[in-house]
Amino acid sequence: ELKVEQNPLFLSMQEGKNYTIYCNYSTTSDRLYWYRQDPGKSLESLFVLLSNGAVKQEGRLMASLDTKARLSTLHITAAVHDLSATYFCAVVGRPGGATNKLIFGTGTLLAVQP
Amino acid sequence: SQTIHQWPATLVQPVGSPLSLECTVEGTSNPNLYWYRQAAGRGLQLLFYSVGIGQISSEVPQNLSASRPQDRQFILSSKKLLLSDSGFYLCAWSAAGNTIYFGEGSWLTVV
Repeated sequence: ELKVEQNPLFLSMQEGKNYTIYCNYSTTSDRLYWYRQDPGKSLESLFVLLSNGAVKQEGRLMASLDTKARLSTLHITAAVHDLSATYFCAVVGRPGGATNKLIFGTGTLLAVQP
Repeated sequence: SQTIHQWPATLVQPVGSPLSLECTVEGTSNPNLYWYRQAAGRGLQLLFYSVGIGQISSEVPQNLSASRPQDRQFILSSKKLLLSDSGFYLCAWSAAGNTIYFGEGSWLTVV
């Protein structure tokens, strides 16, 4: 059974600082997603990582994937308050399948303090 | 462009009452459709997914059911709600093998 774990679960950081959120998964998968969720809102797709060594960047967020280690990271550079949200990683439950059943991590609640 | 809508946005239902949440997708055909639930302060749990009309797969045993009467319509139902059914329900869609996009969500409180 595929399990996805994120750490930390909660992250309080100051504006301008850098930090990394980690996502580990237990079995082989062919793609990994990062989503953002604002309080009381739905999920917004941030990144999809499709291959070993994939790196994608959008603004102050950069995501990477190491399929051999079954690890993805979401790096935050020079955090700003607008980045405060819960971040989820999600892994496809059945590699190579068409159904895209996503198994989600527990989420990381990020609070950026001024 | 593709859009996804689900309703109602919020509802408060008594224990034992029925439930119907609806979701429609526009701008695409034959999408994969999903229902997820998010309990308060928790992650997302996949409840049902569908790859075509009338084709429903259930991920967890529960008193909920799903139906797909039309290609771009997905309905989540219950005959008798339990307190534990409270949560944030999210409908989602994807083209095969591509990113999953979520609807706005429906807040259900069972009292």
